[in-house]
Amino acid sequence: AQSVTQLDSHVSVSEGTPVLLRCNYSSSYSPSLFWYVQHPNKGLQLLLKYTSAATLVKGINGFEAEFKKSETSFHLTKPSAHMSDAAEYFCVVSENNDMRFGAGTRLTVKP
Amino acid sequence: EAQVTQNPRYLITVTGKKLTVTCSQNMNHEYMSWYRQDPGLGLRQIYYSMNVEVTDKGDVPEGYKVSRKEKRNFPLILESPSPNQTSLYFCASSLAGLLPTDTQYFGPGTRLTVL
Repeated sequence: AQSVTQLDSHVSVSEGTPVLLRCNYSSSYSPSLFWYVQHPNKGLQLLLKYTSAATLVKGINGFEAEFKKSETSFHLTKPSAHMSDAAEYFCVVSENNDMRFGAGTRLTVKP
Repeated sequence: EAQVTQNPRYLITVTGKKLTVTCSQNMNHEYMSWYRQDPGLGLRQIYYSMNVEVTDKGDVPEGYKVSRKEKRNFPLILESPSPNQTSLYFCASSLAGLLPTDTQYFGPGTRLTVL
């Protein structure tokens, strides 16, 4: 069965600096990979998804992620953090109608 | 507006008192599911439904029931809640399932406390 590991439970950056949230996955086949964001007291919102097309995926709010099969990684990046990016981020792997969530990474953005 | 709604948003109850959390979507989606979110564990699927009258267990179904009598509604039932079911619950829906082309839409969450 597939699984996903988010390597950092908490990441703290200063406003205007780059963001890197790390995600490794394991999968038997060709998975679909997603990043979701959850702002405080809100539901989950899809940031971006990889579905075996281009390996560099662009999402909303300036986020992007690169699928690296050799490293089984799908790290989320953003060139310049904004205060509104403070939230919890979930990496998700899906195959054969089965979806697995990572434990989440809480992003803090300092002014 | 396309959305998934859940009610109630917050609920405090006592052990053994049956409760139902409703979920409704207005996007004519075939697939609906329930998740619970616990600190350090991410989201875990409780039950899912591929279509009306078709439901299946997810990873953590014990202590929960669901029904899918109509396409738009997918209530979560706790017949005899226990404190270990204290959690944040999310309902989600997608057009046809968890295919690569599908996107899951999540409700706002229901925070349940069982005393």
